[in-house]
Amino acid sequence: DIQMTQSPSTLSASVGDRVTITCRASQSISSWLAWYQQKPGTAPHLLIYEASTLESGVPSKFSGSGSGTEFTLTISSLRPDDFATYYCQQYESYPWTFGQGTKVEIK
Amino acid sequence: EVQLVQSGAEAKKPGESLKISCKASGYSFADYWIGWVRQMPGKGLEWTGIIYPGDSDTKYSPSVQGQVTISIDRSISTAYLQWSSLKASDTAIYYCARQRPGARVLDYWGQGTLVAVSS
Repeated sequence: DIQMTQSPSTLSASVGDRVTITCRASQSISSWLAWYQQKPGTAPHLLIYEASTLESGVPSKFSGSGSGTEFTLTISSLRPDDFATYYCQQYESYPWTFGQGTKVEIK
Repeated sequence: EVQLVQSGAEAKKPGESLKISCKASGYSFADYWIGWVRQMPGKGLEWTGIIYPGDSDTKYSPSVQGQVTISIDRSISTAYLQWSSLKASDTAIYYCARQRPGARVLDYWGQGTLVAVSS
């Protein structure tokens, strides 16, 4: 199985900050990477796929980059609604696997 | 409008069987894979398995292979996740999600079904 490792596990930030989350794959996954946002008590929500393609309806404050084994999710100008947990997921080969999650909390 | 509506919360005892459901609407059910994702209490997301309604092709995570069965009923556009003998470690929220063709990402999700297994 391909292992996905996110860092940091928790990120404390303030409204208006720009934050970056890193996701590393245990082997190359080309650009077959997605990012999801999950708020407490709700289902995950797709933000980005193919490493950098913004899902329809997702604000442009979210951006993704990377290929191979290293990827980043950047959120520019955090708003209260952005405080949530973010997961990366590879879909290069089955079984699909998720990172352990990064909780973005209010400083 | 695409919707995935899951069955309600379940409280079960170890050793009991269970089948939870995910009813799809608003799109052509046969054309999209449907996956299941587990989230144990306070933990992250874990991909469990996936099925293609067109031909019932199914893939499982090694961590659950043999422990669960994924199935479908095309006549009512519903996918299922079932256990023949539950364990306490099966306690989790289970989400179903539609996988977009080509992009292979999970683009629509059900609301989740809480399965609580306790003696």
